[in-house]
Amino acid sequence: AQSVTQLGSHVSVSEGALVLLRCNYSSSVPPYLFWYVQYPNQGLQLLLKYTTGATLVKGINGFEAEFKKSETSFHLTKPSAHMSDAAEYFCAVGENSGGYQKVTFGTGTKLQVIP
Amino acid sequence: DAGITQSPRHKVTETGTPVTLRCHQTENHRYMYWYRQDPGHGLRLIHYSYGVKDTDKGEVSDGYSVSRSKTEDFLLTLESATSSQTSVYFCAISATSGRTNQETQYFGPGTRLLVL
Repeated sequence: AQSVTQLGSHVSVSEGALVLLRCNYSSSVPPYLFWYVQYPNQGLQLLLKYTTGATLVKGINGFEAEFKKSETSFHLTKPSAHMSDAAEYFCAVGENSGGYQKVTFGTGTKLQVIP
Repeated sequence: DAGITQSPRHKVTETGTPVTLRCHQTENHRYMYWYRQDPGHGLRLIHYSYGVKDTDKGEVSDGYSVSRSKTEDFLLTLESATSSQTSVYFCAISATSGRTNQETQYFGPGTRLLVL
């Protein structure tokens, strides 16, 4: 069974500081990994995804994540936080299961950006 | 934008009443999903569909039923709403992209349901 653990339900950073949101996963098969962002009262928007190939994945809005198989991690980073980055972020692991894509989500990390 | 709309966007209902939520997509995707989102739980799969009249249960399907009579519409029904079904409901589709043929899920804007 696959699972996702996001460390820290709330993270606060100063504007301009590094953003680091942590995600660890478990999966019995090579994983597909995703980060989604959710702004207040909106749906989830795909930020980036890892399928195969290059382990450093670049996404929208300056975010990137690195797949580290040995650490079973897929942490999300951004060099310099903007006020507009304040949102909730979800890490997810997916696998093809009996014909449909089973996606397991973490419980989310709310990012607060302090001016 | 994956062309997904949900209706209604907000709903207040009373315990014991039936409620139907609608998900509509415009891009002919085969797979559609219903999730619920609750604080501390992330998103949990309720039901999914892999084609017209083809549906199956997810991890939290008790108290919910679904129907898909057309490719573009996926309905979620709470036969007799309970307060524990107060939640935000998201519809999703999965689309294949890139060379790997890996599917990625894209989400609608959500329906906020309050059961009193």
